[in-house]
Amino acid sequence: GAVVSQHPSWVICKSGTSVKIECRSLDFQATTMFWYRQFPKQSLMLMATSNEGSKATYEQGVEKDKFLINHASLTLSTLTVTSAHPEDSSFYICSARSPSRRVAVSTDTQYFGPGTRLTVL
Amino acid sequence: LAKTTQPISMDSYEGQEVNITCSHNNIATNDYITWYQQFPSQGPRFIIQGYKTKVTNEVASLFIPADRKSSTLSLPRVSLSDTAVYYCLVGDISNNNDMRFGAGTRLTVKP
Repeated sequence: GAVVSQHPSWVICKSGTSVKIECRSLDFQATTMFWYRQFPKQSLMLMATSNEGSKATYEQGVEKDKFLINHASLTLSTLTVTSAHPEDSSFYICSARSPSRRVAVSTDTQYFGPGTRLTVL
Repeated sequence: LAKTTQPISMDSYEGQEVNITCSHNNIATNDYITWYQQFPSQGPRFIIQGYKTKVTNEVASLFIPADRKSSTLSLPRVSLSDTAVYYCLVGDISNNNDMRFGAGTRLTVKP
């Protein structure tokens, strides 16, 4: 299946600094990418939907000025956590949707990255 | 947006068949049902997807009754490595705003 990578896989930063996380679709072009956050023992929470070349659509309660999303190309989306604080420590996961496939039985068009563990001290 | 309900946790033993049921009473006509598996500190991994009746692949089967208000993921002969959280998602995959996860089912496979 298609591959989505994230970089870095983990990061530790000081409170008040900004951290950028990259999400890349390695072998397909993704017009749409999603960003999720997951706290320990909890489910994934959708933060925003990112469409190439346009502004991201944020879920209710997610601060767009704190979580900056850029989707400048069909293979790369970035999430920047600005002025990070300890409560932002979480597991951030991206996913990418391939636009070229229509769903068929037992296939999927959304592929997930391996996640990025952010720890803010 | 179809909401899903799954059991919070399930226990099983190696070699057994495990069936996890997901309820989605307000599923829409264009919605598909997708199941993902997630191990700790990893991204979700696609397992299977279906629209109606039965779908089978090399790792699982998905049973969907005629009214589509529920679905059952069937894992044949589980092993210890199948211990994970399993998520059921329901949505129109052509609609970019529908990819929201429910609480998931934590499956523990015991020796």
